[in-house]
Amino acid sequence: AQSVTQPDIHITVSEGASLELRCNYSYGATPYLFWYVQSPGQGLQLLLKYFSGDTLVQGIKGFEAEFKRSQSSFNLRKPSVHWSDAAEYFCAVLSSGGSYIPTFGRGTSLIVHP
Amino acid sequence: DTGVSQNPRHKITKRGQNVTFRCDPISEHNRLYWYRQTLGQGPEFLTYFQNEAQLEKSRLLSDRFSAERPKGSFSTLEIQRTEQGDSAMYLCASSSDRATIGQYFGPGTRLTVT
Repeated sequence: AQSVTQPDIHITVSEGASLELRCNYSYGATPYLFWYVQSPGQGLQLLLKYFSGDTLVQGIKGFEAEFKRSQSSFNLRKPSVHWSDAAEYFCAVLSSGGSYIPTFGRGTSLIVHP
Repeated sequence: DTGVSQNPRHKITKRGQNVTFRCDPISEHNRLYWYRQTLGQGPEFLTYFQNEAQLEKSRLLSDRFSAERPKGSFSTLEIQRTEQGDSAMYLCASSSDRATIGQYFGPGTRLTVT
């Protein structure tokens, strides 16, 4: 069965600092991987996705993520964080064959200090 | 593309009452998902439709929960005899047949059972 681990429940950064949110997955074959962002009281918005090809993927709002098969990781990065980036971030994995039901991590809450 | 909409946004009900939520997906999306999200957790899969067919239900889904998607358009999620443990955010998402597209989420319905 597929699973996702986001080891950091909270991350605090200063505005303008760089950011890396960790995501590790468990899945036998090549997975489809996603990062979503959720602002308070809102639904989830897709930031970026990986399913094949270049292992460094670019997303919206200046975010990027790198797929590392050897480490079963798909960490999210941003070079300079803005106060508006404060939100909950979820990593998700989807099997590349069969069911299209994603499994989500428990999320990482990003706090941005001015 | 008006996005995924959900109604109502908030629902407060007394224990034992029945509630029904509605989801209107993006019109060209044939897949529709329901999730439940509690505080500090990622979305938990409940059920999934492809067009009007309900293809999968979570084993964790109580018999008190039922979902429909008549004519493959909007969907409803009904909870009968609500319990306090049903208090959560109920999220709806839609997607196309291409799994690599990712899912588009609605804003959710916040249920509070008193």
